[in-house]
This record gives sequence, structure tokens and C-alpha cells, in this order.
Amino acid sequence: ETGVTQTPRHLVMGMTNKKSLKCEQHLGHNAMYWYKQSAKKPLELMFVYNFKEQTENNSVPSRFSPECPNSSHLFLHLHTLQPEDSALYLCASSPRSAGGRGTQYFGPGTRLTVL
Amino acid sequence: AQSVTQLGSHVSVSEGALVLLRCNYSSSVPPYLFWYVQYPNQGLQLLLKYTTGATLVKGINGFEAEFKKSETSFHLTKPSAHMSDAAEYFCAVSDGPSGGSQGNLIFGKGTKLSVKP
Repeated sequence: ETGVTQTPRHLVMGMTNKKSLKCEQHLGHNAMYWYKQSAKKPLELMFVYNFKEQTENNSVPSRFSPECPNSSHLFLHLHTLQPEDSALYLCASSPRSAGGRGTQYFGPGTRLTVL
Repeated sequence: AQSVTQLGSHVSVSEGALVLLRCNYSSSVPPYLFWYVQYPNQGLQLLLKYTTGATLVKGINGFEAEFKKSETSFHLTKPSAHMSDAAEYFCAVSDGPSGGSQGNLIFGKGTKLSVKP
């Protein structure tokens, strides 16, 4: 499979559940990103990983916990979410290098609904 | 700091008409600029990008954009709209200096394009 894949595509969870979103990239990139896309709001960058190291956390609540075990895989662990966390969660990857500003390629997203 | 403004959250055109989606940016460094398209229930797909060199950039599906430094603009155009162009379009600028540790994308709020038959 090529590109950036995300599983599951749809997820419904209660506020007390624990679940994980998975992202995998087959592009040989070394930077990976989590974004949140809510209705009527711009895309919000949540986390950035470079060479498996987290380089950015944009004041994301601790109920979202990222994990990057290697350059190809990225997880977002979810626990005790709130209804306002319902959104489309997008993963992206880029060929980050010392030159920076590599083009980002996006996965199809996970549509999350918190009841 | 970098920012992006997309004029018009919703644009409607007739099939065959010109498509013009506006994007203005602010950047303290030479910008890298991007247009992405998002179809319903899908992720973002890169349409085109400007880094350096030629200011008129051609992308997929017949779209193009022109970087105008004096106007700080990067408007997206297509001569003739097709029904399949109905989607949401996002303009983005890459932040941070080239060679630095940044390089994240700053997105506009998006413009939803409708195409009438």
C-alpha cells in the first residue's frame, strides 16, 4: 500500500473509553504530524514528530497522548475524551530535513465521535 | 509570524466558468505556499506548491496559481470548472526560515467551492 493510511476511518466512543488511532506512512518520510479538523475552524496542528522525537505539542490536552515508535508509524491514544473532541483527525508526513518545509502528505483521516 | 487569509468561505460557479479562489499570506521570510483540496470525508490532497523560481505554478486537475510578492497573494485559478471540482480548498504557508527547525504549515480557513450544472 502506498501513501499515508489511517485506521480506523470511523470511531464512536464514550467519554470513559480508551482507544487509539493509527497512522502509517509508506513514503520514507521522517516527519509525522497529527491535526484536528473541526467544523468551522481552521486545521489545528496538534503534534509534530521528527525522526521519532516529538518536536511540537501545541498545548494539546493530556487526554490526547501521541506515540511514534518509528518513522513510519504514529499513534494517537485517546482517553476520557469530551464531546467537543469530536472531529476529523488527520495524519500527515513529510520528508523533513535540515532544509525544512518539506511538502506534507495527508492520510484520509479518522472521523471521531465522542458520545 | 506567518498567516493565511482566504477570502470567501464559500464560492459558487457554474460549470464551465472560471474558478478563482483567493489567498493572501503574510510571512517574514520567503514563503513556501501550497494549495490543498479536500473532498468530502477524505484527507487533504496537494494541488500545487510554490517554493522558488517561476511564479506561475501548474498543478493537478487543470489548476494553477500565481505567486505575487508585491500583493502577498497566491490565488488559485482554473479556466473552466467541472462538477468534480466541488470540494473544499485550503491555502497554506510554511512557517520558519529555511534550514531552521520549523517548517510547519499554517492553513487558511478554507473555501468551499460549489459547481452548478
